[in-house]
Amino acid sequence: AQKVTQAQTEISVVEKEDVTLDCVYETRDTTYYLFWYKQPPSGELVFLIRRNSFDEQNEISGRYSWNFQKSTSSFNFTITASQVVDSAVYFCALSEARNDYKLSFGAGTTVTVRA
Amino acid sequence: NAGVMQNPRHLVRRRGQEARLRCSPMKGHSHVYWYRQLPEEGLKFMVYLQKENIIDESGMPKERFSAEFPKEGPSILRIQQVVRGDSAAYFCASSRSGQEEAFFGQGTRLTVV
Repeated sequence: AQKVTQAQTEISVVEKEDVTLDCVYETRDTTYYLFWYKQPPSGELVFLIRRNSFDEQNEISGRYSWNFQKSTSSFNFTITASQVVDSAVYFCALSEARNDYKLSFGAGTTVTVRA
Repeated sequence: NAGVMQNPRHLVRRRGQEARLRCSPMKGHSHVYWYRQLPEEGLKFMVYLQKENIIDESGMPKERFSAEFPKEGPSILRIQQVVRGDSAAYFCASSRSGQEEAFFGQGTRLTVV
């Protein structure tokens, strides 16, 4: 069965600090997809990124970057120079190719950025 | 280009009543998914529907819960005889196909009193 673990329940930083969110996953499939979503205090889920298991290239989008390492089954997310608007719950998720519509979410990491 | 629309945003029901949650997918999307988020937890898959068909309901409780996505109109998640444990945020997502990424609505927060 697929499983996603976000060991950090809460992280608190001061503005402009970098913050890294850990995500470790388990799957028996060789083809799978990894996701990150942001849930701000208003409650909606905002899609951030989707990566497939064959693409281990790290990705950068503005202040966000992702580090995918198959060897350690991790897909970590870093926010550089954090801002108060980054305060949210961040979810990592996994779907397997045979049921790629079905996302398994981690429990989420609450990030609080203080001014 | 409206996103996934869910209504109501907040719903309060007394124990034993019925709750009906609506989801209108994004334009051009014919695949709908429902997830439930219990307090302090991540989202859990409930059901996957295409127009007039249930594709996968492996995450749905066997009793009291049902879902439909008719040919016309929104997808409906129906919870009969609600209990306090049904209090949660219910999210709907839609996609163009089963292989493309899904976009989530803002959720319906159900409170059972």
